[in-house]
Amino acid sequence: DADVTQTPRNRITKTGKRIMLECSQTKGHDRMYWYRQDPGLGLQLIYYSFDVKDINKGEISDGYSVSRQAQAKFSLSLESAIPNQTALYFCATSDSPFEQFFGPGTRLTVL
Amino acid sequence: GNSVTQMEGPVTLSEEAFLTINCTYTATGYPSLFWYVQYPGEGLQLLLKATKADDKGSNKGFEATYRKETTSFHLEKGSVQVSDSAVYFCALQPSSNTGKLIFGQGTTLQVKP
Repeated sequence: DADVTQTPRNRITKTGKRIMLECSQTKGHDRMYWYRQDPGLGLQLIYYSFDVKDINKGEISDGYSVSRQAQAKFSLSLESAIPNQTALYFCATSDSPFEQFFGPGTRLTVL
Repeated sequence: GNSVTQMEGPVTLSEEAFLTINCTYTATGYPSLFWYVQYPGEGLQLLLKATKADDKGSNKGFEATYRKETTSFHLEKGSVQVSDSAVYFCALQPSSNTGKLIFGQGTTLQVKP
């Protein structure tokens, strides 16, 4: 079984809809991250969390919110999706500064 | 501010050719540097890292040396294989306290038999 799982793997939605992307990990790591990947732009950090009571904004948090329901679960929400949020979204975990473990990604399309 | 710039792709090579993917960075202080690899349909995996100047990271035949004087961390491999076809990301970590990574735009490598 994969250590970092993301659901759904693919999602198509319409402008204005609320969407939640979920991430679960079995690695026992405290640190969790959400990134988005756009073609030609690499990955950009949306939010990160060091434990269930610690949530921090990344470089591109506008239009997104997160919830850390447990050590193992970190969800990303788009309250009112817009087309320029169409991207590939990755969750990552770590227990040290020097390596992050990535999930397989969620491909989100907003029409 | 902190940023990473990689050479434009795609890079297309024949099997057993020599690979170089250039990476330069801008950072304050003393960042750690990384190369991550993304195989088709998968998430990113750490390929190698270097945490201080003149360190050389290596893994699976790939190498990169942290050059502070040229602010570079170029990825090299002496003989590529078809299985090395992937997207390669250079990244820096400004501070170990947060673990935040700043990525370059990625370079696609295609290796032909």
